[in-house]
Amino acid sequence: GNSVTQMEGPVTLSEEAFLTINCTYTATGYPSLFWYVQYPGEGLQLLLKATKADDKGSNKGFEATYRKETTSFHLEKGSVQVSDSAVYFCALKSRSSASKIIFGSGTRLSIRP
Amino acid sequence: GAVVSQHPSRVICKSGTSVKIECRSLDFQATTMFWYRQFPKQSLMLMATSNEGSKATYEQGVEKDKFLINHASLTLSTLTVTSAHPEDSSFYICSATTGGSEETQYFGPGTRLLVL
Repeated sequence: GNSVTQMEGPVTLSEEAFLTINCTYTATGYPSLFWYVQYPGEGLQLLLKATKADDKGSNKGFEATYRKETTSFHLEKGSVQVSDSAVYFCALKSRSSASKIIFGSGTRLSIRP
Repeated sequence: GAVVSQHPSRVICKSGTSVKIECRSLDFQATTMFWYRQFPKQSLMLMATSNEGSKATYEQGVEKDKFLINHASLTLSTLTVTSAHPEDSSFYICSATTGGSEETQYFGPGTRLLVL
C-alpha cells in the first residue's frame, strides 16, 4: 500500500541555518506530494505541493522537488527563522478521485534564536 | 484561499455525555469532508470520509456507532462523539475538498476534546 516515511525529529537548528527534512514515499502510479505545517495548537496548513515528477513546490522560502527516481520529496529552506518552529508533515495522495491523504509521522522543528 | 472552520475549538465534557463538533467550509462548497484524529506528538489518523448527502465511509477500526458523522450540506459536516470516555480525549481535525482528482484538502484549525 501507499506510505510515507519522513525523518524523525525533533530537529533543532539555530536561526539562519540550512534545513533539510527528508521524506520518501511508496506508492503505485504517480501520486501528488505535499508538505503540511502545523503550528502549536493549530490545525494543518498546506505549505507546498507538487503533482508530477520534477515539479518543484515552493512557498515562504521552503522548497521541495518531486523526485520519481528516488521516490523522495525532501523539504529544504536556506535560512530558517524562529517562526518556522512547527511540526512538518510530508504526505501523498494518489490520483483516484476517492482517495485520501496518507501522512508521514511528522517532524518537529525547533529553531533557536 | 479556502477557509475551513471548526467549532468548538476546545470542549471539556463529562464521561458518558455526547459531544458534537462542526466543520464548515466558509467560502467554497465541499463535496467531500474528512475527519482525522491526532494524538499528542503523533500524526493524523483518518477516521472517516463523508460525502454530502450520503453515509460516511469509516476507516478500519473506527466505530461508526460511536463517531457519528453527518454531512448535511455542501458546507457543513458534523462529528458526534457519543457516550464519550476519557480515551476519546484527542485533537480532532476536519478537512474539506472541492472534489476532482487534483483537489487540495483544506484543513480546519482542530477541536481539542477532553473527557473527564
